[in-house]
Amino acid sequence: GAVVSQHPSRVICKSGTSVKIECRSLDFQATTMFWYRQFPKQSLMLMATSNEGSKATYEQGVEKDKFLINHASLTLSTLTVTSAHPEDSSFYICSANPNRVGETQYFGPGTRLLVL
Amino acid sequence: SQKIEQNSEALNIQEGKTVTLTCNYTNYSPAYLQWYRQDPGRGPVFLLLIRENEKEKRKERLKVTFDTTLKQSLFHITASQPADSATYLCALDSGGYNKLIFGAGTRLAVHP
Repeated sequence: GAVVSQHPSRVICKSGTSVKIECRSLDFQATTMFWYRQFPKQSLMLMATSNEGSKATYEQGVEKDKFLINHASLTLSTLTVTSAHPEDSSFYICSANPNRVGETQYFGPGTRLLVL
Repeated sequence: SQKIEQNSEALNIQEGKTVTLTCNYTNYSPAYLQWYRQDPGRGPVFLLLIRENEKEKRKERLKVTFDTTLKQSLFHITASQPADSATYLCALDSGGYNKLIFGAGTRLAVHP
């Protein structure tokens, strides 16, 4: 149990375009999901907390207009990278937990974004 | 400032040995700490969670300790195998709502 999926697994896009990444909890509901980015050989950096039915909470230094987050249901959160640039190329990972405080996070397999 | 440090960027060991990874933190008071495994190009996979009132947790060949006085967690793998080769990440909660802050990770390579 506790499976989180992401789609797409990898995407290549041209500079200036927008890219949407989906994160789904397949067998549990998640009021809260988290979005991370990871550069090569570096750790996961939390970008934002996605809250079902309300606005996302962004970490310091993360542009909310650049990284749009929508948590439309208890099993789906989307991250849209708007007007992507080469420096946005990274590994984006989402996580969720089954609505219980102190529970482990279940991570998606990640999405590799390459902006040309 | 708040910091989480994993003391080794990379470790190379022989199969069968026991290895200990370290996670130190400053200016946090986590209610729990977690260890994850991450393989290249994949998302992290949960291994163990230890709470602030627990000294030790075990799962098969894995053991985690948590010393809130020293602000340190140790992660042990006994009888290591080449399949244990991966990056190991420690993460602690940053004060509620299940928000995790990760260390930089330790890359472990177990050689046959």
